[in-house]
Formats: sequence, C-alpha cells, structure tokens
Amino acid sequence: KAGVTQTPRYLIKTRGQQVTLSCSPISGHRSVSWYQQTPGQGLQFLFEYFSETQRNKGNFPGRFSGRQFSNSRSEMNVSTLELGDSALYLCASSSRDRGFNEQFFGPGTRLTVL
Amino acid sequence: AQSVTQPDIHITVSEGASLELRCNYSYGATPYLFWYVQSPGQGLQLLLKYFSGDTLVQGIKGFEAEFKRSQSSFNLRKPSVHWSDAAEYFCAVGGEVGIPTFGRGTSLIVHP
Repeated sequence: KAGVTQTPRYLIKTRGQQVTLSCSPISGHRSVSWYQQTPGQGLQFLFEYFSETQRNKGNFPGRFSGRQFSNSRSEMNVSTLELGDSALYLCASSSRDRGFNEQFFGPGTRLTVL
Repeated sequence: AQSVTQPDIHITVSEGASLELRCNYSYGATPYLFWYVQSPGQGLQLLLKYFSGDTLVQGIKGFEAEFKRSQSSFNLRKPSVHWSDAAEYFCAVGGEVGIPTFGRGTSLIVHP
C-alpha cells in the first residue's frame, strides 16, 4: 500500500499571500488530520476531516481552513500568510471510524514565509 | 484536559548503550498511548502503541515501552542503540474520540 503523500514538499511564499497544501491518504482511510510543527510550539493539531466533514478543530485562527473530497484527499489552505506560519505541515490518515487510535503520517510540506 | 510531558529535551547516548526515553501523561480515562519517531525532514513514523492488555509493548526497530498506570508513564526503551536511531521521538496520548496530544519531543543524539 502506498503511504500518505503530501504535495508540494517545499513551498516559499511571501507575507499576505495564500497557500494550498494537498494530502492524499492511504487507500481506504477516511480520516485525515493536519498538524503544524514548529520548533517553538511543537506539534499542534489543526483539524481533522472524516467523510468530507470537519470532525475536530484545533485552536487556530480562521485563516487556516481545510476540506476533504469524496476520494478522501484533503487540502489545507492558509490565507493572508504571516511570518509565523512558517512551519512543517504534516498530514496524517487513519482507518478508524472514531478517534485517533493510529495515524500514519506523510513526509510533510515545509512552508517558508518571507 | 489531557497532556503529555517528555521531560528530556535532548538525550545523548553512546552507540551500543541502552536507552530510556521518559513520557508522562495526564488523561481522564483509559489512555491510548503512542510513540513516534521523526527523522530530519521526514514525517512521523509509529514505533509502537498501547491500547489495552499486556503493559509491555513491543514495537518496530527493537523498541519497547511499558505502560505504568500508577505512575502515569509510558517510557520507551531499547537495549542497544544504533547510530541510525538518532532522531526526534514523540510520545502521544489519545482516546476513543477527540484530539490527540503530542509531547514536545526528545531529541536523541548517538555518539559513535
């Protein structure tokens, strides 16, 4: 089985721009979660989508949004980028219908905001 | 509220030495516990997990962890460390539903 894939792997943007990141989960997995990882804050949960519905949401501003398609692929969008949005964005998929019992992570997208 | 504490930010060991990474958690019900490893520039890979049953859990790459409810701990161990084990290690706690919580991570440095 192919693992979780994320595109692009690296991205450089400037302040004020917007960005869209993509995640393809493991085949058959319906849950996709997004995390932001920074040296200062560690791994922080952004949101989880399950069957095209947002099921859980972390404590991030509305500039961070996401969606999930019928094939379970997910996108995450960040509008009006700030310098502090520079981070590694990780996507994780899970096969479980409930909870976060086991997640499989993608390699991440490294976003740099200049 | 659930939380995870990894008290050691960095740990340095010599190759061939034993390793123990500490993890303490706070969770209101029976926890689901995980250890992940992250190599530079990579995502997180699951090393092992505990849901229930035997409190000593075996994982990949020769790692094991022991769940101690009385101490709210889930420490990761390896009897002999290899240079390729140098990485960042994350402990996480979750449950049947809800948002998982990750620790801040422990960076493992392996000296030859």
